[in-house]
Formats: sequence, C-alpha cells, structure tokens
Amino acid sequence: EAQVTQNPRYLITVTGKKLTVTCSQNMNHEYMSWYRQDPGLGLRQIYYSMNVEVTDKGDVPEGYKVSRKEKRNFPLILESPSPNQTSLYFCASRLDRTNTEAFFGQGTRLTVV
Amino acid sequence: DQQVKQNSPSLSVQEGRISILNCDYTNSMFDYFLWYKKYPAEGPTFLISISSIKDKNEDGRFTVFLNKSAKHLSLHIVPSQPGDSAVYFCAAHGTGTASKLTFGTGTRLQVTL
Repeated sequence: EAQVTQNPRYLITVTGKKLTVTCSQNMNHEYMSWYRQDPGLGLRQIYYSMNVEVTDKGDVPEGYKVSRKEKRNFPLILESPSPNQTSLYFCASRLDRTNTEAFFGQGTRLTVV
Repeated sequence: DQQVKQNSPSLSVQEGRISILNCDYTNSMFDYFLWYKKYPAEGPTFLISISSIKDKNEDGRFTVFLNKSAKHLSLHIVPSQPGDSAVYFCAAHGTGTASKLTFGTGTRLQVTL
C-alpha cells in the first residue's frame, strides 16, 4: 500500500530537549516536504527536498533542520524545541516537482512545555 | 504574504444541496491547483486538481472551476453528503522556484441533515 508514515503520532517534550520526527515514503517519490498546521494559518511549509541531498527552506524554517540521505526518508529535527513549535506536523511526498499531487502522512501532534 | 486565500473559515450546507468553496490566489506563476480534504486526526487527502490550461475539471460529485483572469477557483460538491463534512484546503504550485505547494487556510464544511 502506497503511504507516507510519520512517527511518533503524539509527542510531549520539554523546552530545549532535541527531538526527531521521522518520515518515510514507499512510493519512490523525489519530492518531500514538511508542513505545520496552526489554527487560522493553514498548512505552512517548513522545509522541502527535491531529491537526495537536496533540501531547501520553506516559509517557516526557523528552529528546524532536515536531512535527505536516502530517497525514502526525510526526518524533521528540532535541535532545541520551544513552546512556539507546539503544532501539528505533516510530512508529504510528491512524485516530482511537476504537476502531481502530494500524499500526506497521518500527522504528528507535538507539544513543547 | 498569503498567496492562497480562503476567505470563508466555515460553511454550513444542508444534505443534498450544493456546497461551493472558494479560493483566491495572487501568484501568477501558479499553474496547477489542487483541493485537499482533511478529517480530524488524519492527514490531508487529495481530492481533485486542475491545470491552468483548463477552466473546469469534474470527478463525480466534485467539480473545480478555474478563472485565471480573476485568479479565483472554486470547488462545487453536488449533492452534498454528511460524509463531506471536513476541512477543505485549496493549494497551488508552479514550476521551477515556484514548485512548492502553497496552501490556503482552509474552510470547514459542515453538511447538516
């Protein structure tokens, strides 16, 4: 089954404690990205990757890092989480950057206290 | 700078009637438009798309209309069903440096009995 898998689904952490949210897709997609969803703001892109070892900032990259060492995986790293990063996070993948739809993971609800 | 705008945060429609969700965009580089549906505790799922070379695309009960001169698109759902109750996101992307998928803030549709 074609899917995008994120882990964990829920996470509560403390300010400053490094964490990683994993994302994996089994569709051999080139393009992957991370979004955060906040009330009244919709889905905003954090980082994206057009292929292995190619990543770039989205609209709200501050406080986040990503890596793309393999085509299927695109982890999101918060080196020093802060309460304003409390949000609902989604990983997405697309076949490539042309006219194709994105497939989303189930989401990770992160709370930073 | 909200490049994709959904000005109606919510919409309530009776079962069997037509639901019309609207979306406006400002970036003339966008050439592909998509609608996503999102249920609580799930990731967004692709619903329907339209290329800028078309002005209408239909898929069962769902039709998307694109008015390029007005930079406006709309999603029509006919007839509306209770299972259509969800948040609907409009999204758009172009090519090259505009290839990232930009989302609107979403419209919550409630279909009542």
